[in-house]
Amino acid sequence: DAKTTQPTSMDCAEGRAANLPCNHSTISGNEYVYWYRQIHSQGPQYIIHGLKNNETNEMASLIITEDRKSSTLILPHATLRDTAVYYCIVSVFLSNFGNEKLTFGTGTRLTIIP
Amino acid sequence: DTGVSQNPRHKITKRGQNVTFRCDPISEHNRLYWYRQTLGQGPEFLTYFQNEAQLEKSRLLSDRFSAERPKGSFSTLEIQRTEQGDSAMYLCASSPRTGGDPEAFFGQGTRLTVV
Repeated sequence: DAKTTQPTSMDCAEGRAANLPCNHSTISGNEYVYWYRQIHSQGPQYIIHGLKNNETNEMASLIITEDRKSSTLILPHATLRDTAVYYCIVSVFLSNFGNEKLTFGTGTRLTIIP
Repeated sequence: DTGVSQNPRHKITKRGQNVTFRCDPISEHNRLYWYRQTLGQGPEFLTYFQNEAQLEKSRLLSDRFSAERPKGSFSTLEIQRTEQGDSAMYLCASSPRTGGDPEAFFGQGTRLTVV
């Protein structure tokens, strides 16, 4: 799996948009970009994934650059409950064969400030 | 369905003892994964099952570790002759094999402390 690079930590004011960057310059054509987060003492939680196009769901938006070498996770209106470690992961997903294992890095520790 | 369930949530054991953890995945999820997480690090892959077949094992999974999923439902992870370095959070996750849903669902983990 390709490696990802994320900032170690970020702060964001409550109510503002949190923009979390990720570099994945060695991503291959069949690898998706996944974002998970882990709130203290809990298991990781899936947020969103994408291949080429930008994606949006009820939790977040994912912006992937045209060359797919980087992406940004956007939490549009951050709340205190969004304080967590956010992991950007690239991994193969084949619809007939399911997920490959996820290779986590150390992630970005996002702190939402009141 | 209440999600992925792991038991126990916490385990303290003396060095040299054997421990066993259990994971109950989401019903009908074919794939089951085990990860280990130490303080300040992201989860590290240990092994995964497709139904009852163990398809991949990490080099992290030494001979003291064994995982089973006998009927393709729940799974157990056993650590024999525990060492202090085994202290970590052990996470289980499950996902469907097919159907277009790539999300992996994680349990709350079992925190192991070896004293």
